[in-house]
Amino acid sequence: GENVEQHPSTLSVQEGDSAVIKCTYSDSASNYFPWYKQELGKRPQLIIDIRSNVGEKKDQRIAVTLNKTAKHFSLHITETQPEDSAVYFCAATYTGNQFYFGTGTSLTVIP
Amino acid sequence: DAGVIQSPRHEVTEMGQEVTLRCKPISGHNSLFWYRQTMMRGLELLIYFNNNVPIDDSGMPEDRFSAKMPNASFSTLKIQPSEPRDSAVYFCASSAGTGRLEETQYFGPGTRLLVL
Repeated sequence: GENVEQHPSTLSVQEGDSAVIKCTYSDSASNYFPWYKQELGKRPQLIIDIRSNVGEKKDQRIAVTLNKTAKHFSLHITETQPEDSAVYFCAATYTGNQFYFGTGTSLTVIP
Repeated sequence: DAGVIQSPRHEVTEMGQEVTLRCKPISGHNSLFWYRQTMMRGLELLIYFNNNVPIDDSGMPEDRFSAKMPNASFSTLKIQPSEPRDSAVYFCASSAGTGRLEETQYFGPGTRLLVL
């Protein structure tokens, strides 16, 4: 089965700086990679996703990059704001199979 | 739209008791997912349905867990008998489409279960 590793487990940045979270996966058949944001005590919410036929995707301050050869994908948040503070989860899957989540990264943006 | 609705929001029970968690997906969505979240194991997909039919239940931890979806607007996750290690937050999510995992899922608020 798939194995998703996520790093770092905690990350603190100054407001306005960039934050990068990286995930690696093991199954080369995985073709869909979403990122979820979960605020304390709240539900996970999809913030961005990428499919294996695309190398990069952007949505305002958030971007995701995918390196299929190295089997890793990263979340980039630019110009961080205090409201970006949350736990971020990556996941990997391929059609008809299980959803494999990373262990999460707790991001703190310091005002 | 009210979003995905889950009940109860909190449940405290004693070991050995039956627990039933309920979920109402977003109207029009035809796929429903049950997840479990713990500090130790993180987020795990337990089972998902498409058009009320279970598609993959390989994440269900053991026979004590069962899930049903009798119609398009209701699903239950039952634990019988419950054990302390079942304590977790259980999320339900729904999506529109063909039941493929790469369709955007909308999560409910979760049920926080504590088994004493």
